[in-house]
Parts: sequence; C-alpha cells; structure tokens
Amino acid sequence: GAVVSQHPSWVICKSGTSVKIECRSLDFQATTMFWYRQFPKQSLMLMATSNEGSKATYEQGVEKDKFLINHASLTLSTLTVTSAHPEDSSFYICSARQGVGELFFGEGSRLTVL
Amino acid sequence: DAKTTQPPSMDCAEGRAANLPCNHSTISGNEYVYWYRQIHSQGPQYIIHGLKNNETNEMASLIITEDRKSSTLILPHATLRDTAVYYCIVRVTGSWGKLQFGAGTQVVVTP
Repeated sequence: GAVVSQHPSWVICKSGTSVKIECRSLDFQATTMFWYRQFPKQSLMLMATSNEGSKATYEQGVEKDKFLINHASLTLSTLTVTSAHPEDSSFYICSARQGVGELFFGEGSRLTVL
Repeated sequence: DAKTTQPPSMDCAEGRAANLPCNHSTISGNEYVYWYRQIHSQGPQYIIHGLKNNETNEMASLIITEDRKSSTLILPHATLRDTAVYYCIVRVTGSWGKLQFGAGTQVVVTP
C-alpha cells in the first residue's frame, strides 16, 4: 500500500522552543493530509486538515497559532508546535489521502517537552 | 459519520480466531465500515473495509449483518503480533470526511 513517512519519529525539546514535524507521502501525491494527536491510553484526536496550497482547517479547541500547519507541496505537510510546553507532549500522527482513495497513516512522532 | 460501539478489550489465544464485534446501528446507506488497528506506539494500519457484502483479504475477514447495523472483524489465526487496538469506523468512502476514532478494542493475543 501507499507509504506515509513522518520525521522525526521522536523528539525531546525544552519548554518554550518550537518543534517541526514532517509528514511525507512517499509514492503518491496527497492533496489532503490530516494531523492527529494521541495522549497516553487515549484514542486519536483529529487536530486539523491540511490542504495543499491553502490554509489548514482546525478542529474546535485546537489553537491554530500554536500548531502551525504548512502543506506547501503535494507530498509534504509540516506541523510546527510553537513555544512548546510539557502539556504538548504527545504522539502526533499524520495521515494522507491518495486522491479520493483511502487514508494511510504515518508512523507517528513522539514529542516530549521538558 | 455514524457512531460505533466496540467492547473495550478482549483476549485471544495464539493460533485461534479472533472475532471483534462492532455495533453501528445508525449507519447510513452510503457509509462503509472500516477497520484499522494500532500497534503500540505506531500509526494506525488499514485492515479492511466493506459496504454490505462480506469481505476478505490477506489480513482479515469482515462480516456485515444484513441490516448493516453491526459487523465482525475476524482474524483467522491470531498471532502475538496482532496484539493492538482495533478501531471500527463508519464513513462515506471517497469523501473528504475526516476519520473520527472511537476508543476501539484492545486485543491481547496470548501464547
């Protein structure tokens, strides 16, 4: 099946710094990507929908100025956690749609903010 | 998208079939049933999906009741690597709709 890759797979940063997570569709073009967040022992929560060439659409309660999403090409979307704090520590997962086909998920990126 | 209900957990012996139920009594006529699973600390993995006919692939079988209000995912010969959280989701395929994950079923396969 289609491959979606995330980088980095894990990152540790100090409080107050910004962290960028990349999501790439390796063998297909993805006009739409989705970003999820998952806290320990909880289900995935959709954060935002990333559309190539336009602004992302954020779910209710997700701060767009804190979680910056850029979908500059058909194979790359980035999520930047700005001024990260310990409560932002989580597992961030992206998914990409191949045309109107199925969603495929990345391996996830674990963020730990000290 | 229609809401789904799954048992929170179930155990299965290695080598035996694992039958995972899902209720989706409010499913609409154009909504498909999808199954994903998430192994610990990994992204979700697509397993199978169907509309009203039973489906089978190399990973699993999906049995959908005639009234489409419930379905069962069958892992024919569970292995230890099948230990994961299994999510049943209903949605309109090909739509721009977003996947909304419920709590899923934690399946533990024991030797």
